[in-house]
Amino acid sequence: NAGVTQTPKFQVLKTGQSMTLQCAQDMNHNSMYWYRQDPGMGLRLIYYSASEGTTDKGEVPNGYNVSRLNKREFSLRLESAAPSQTSVYFCASRALGIRTMEQYFGPGTRLTVT
Amino acid sequence: ILNVEQSPQSLHVQEGDSTNFTCSFPSSNFYALHWYRWETAKSPEALFVMTLNGDEKKKGRISATLNTKEGYSYLYIKGSQPEDSATYLCASTAQGGSEKLVFGKGTKLTVNP
Repeated sequence: NAGVTQTPKFQVLKTGQSMTLQCAQDMNHNSMYWYRQDPGMGLRLIYYSASEGTTDKGEVPNGYNVSRLNKREFSLRLESAAPSQTSVYFCASRALGIRTMEQYFGPGTRLTVT
Repeated sequence: ILNVEQSPQSLHVQEGDSTNFTCSFPSSNFYALHWYRWETAKSPEALFVMTLNGDEKKKGRISATLNTKEGYSYLYIKGSQPEDSATYLCASTAQGGSEKLVFGKGTKLTVNP
């Protein structure tokens, strides 16, 4: 199993450009998440999807959109990138149930917006 | 929004030392407390998830305790090794919001050989 994969690993954008970060998991997990990691801050939840076909806002959703394409894939889109969105983005997933609450993280995407 | 605090922010210990650090979280409406280990250039990996007051969990030399009434959790590492060097994150979820993990900023542990 590859676990949680993310593409791309690195990206540089100019202000105003758009891009989509891709995330896929092969563990048959129901829930998927997008976080951002900034220096001096903890991981902050951007959006999550508790099941295929549903998405909900997290702590910092402004400037982002998401799509839960199917059970495996959860993408994060920046429509008009801003320097404040320079960050490392992590995707995560977890199985359904209270006994399986731990989240499994992907390797991250380092995004720089100039 | 939950406020999850971790202390200390960073810690340097010698190989063989035992150490511990703290995570504090709002005790009202508590649902679950997670601990993750995050090595440099890797992804966070789950260590423990705890839900019940008084819970104690152990994995090798690492253990954790939970006090939901007063809103804190301790992570202990016995006989630290250089490979334990990492940032240790805790995260809490509230009732009705089990999908929404709120992370602390982490404790960065460096174990010197």
